[in-house]
Amino acid sequence: GAVVSQHPSRVICKSGTSVKIECRSLDFQATTMFWYRQFPKQSLMLMATSNEGSKATYEQGVEKDKFLINHASLTLSTLTVTSAHPEDSSFYICSASLSRGKFSPLHFGNGTRLTVT
Amino acid sequence: DQQVKQNSPSLSVQEGRISILNCDYTNSMFDYFLWYKKYPAEGPTFLISISSIKDKNEDGRFTVFLNKSAKHLSLHIVPSQPGDSAVYFCAARGLGNDYKLSFGAGTTVTVRA
Repeated sequence: GAVVSQHPSRVICKSGTSVKIECRSLDFQATTMFWYRQFPKQSLMLMATSNEGSKATYEQGVEKDKFLINHASLTLSTLTVTSAHPEDSSFYICSASLSRGKFSPLHFGNGTRLTVT
Repeated sequence: DQQVKQNSPSLSVQEGRISILNCDYTNSMFDYFLWYKKYPAEGPTFLISISSIKDKNEDGRFTVFLNKSAKHLSLHIVPSQPGDSAVYFCAARGLGNDYKLSFGAGTTVTVRA
């Protein structure tokens, strides 16, 4: 069964508004979660690493003020797309690892399709 | 700079036959390799992985082969089934306590009945 739950699965918003996406680890604690983004027919690009109780680490080129990440508990990380614009329309996916083992795979949520009109 | 490359964007295979997906990487510090399967509008699903100390890992119909000297890995699916039609991503992770994955561009597999 799913180990990472993401909500909502799709959202349409108007340009200039903010959208919050939730990512929850199910039945396990995730001190670290990862937020990815996928454009149509492209690969998954890591946006940021969400760290419980501390600031997120953003990849080069990702605006931290635009993509706000909060990891307030061991089972919940949120990504808020602030002042969204049409170019932010994309598929956002979160992930987490079940354990901190060196060879432990990442498990992904079902993603959120964001459309900004 | 793409460190993980899947040079075949698509693959079509007859049901029952073998599907072979290829992946190359450039970073010699990668020590853990994974394959994910993805349907449209869904998140990737973990399929199988291999650590750099092995050259083969098998799980049911899925086998991953790793050739470290060539910096190449492949995924074999046999026999291929219609439900295997999806996009397959190769991913890799480097040394250290960093769980970040680098993904290839994906290969779309179509299994023909």
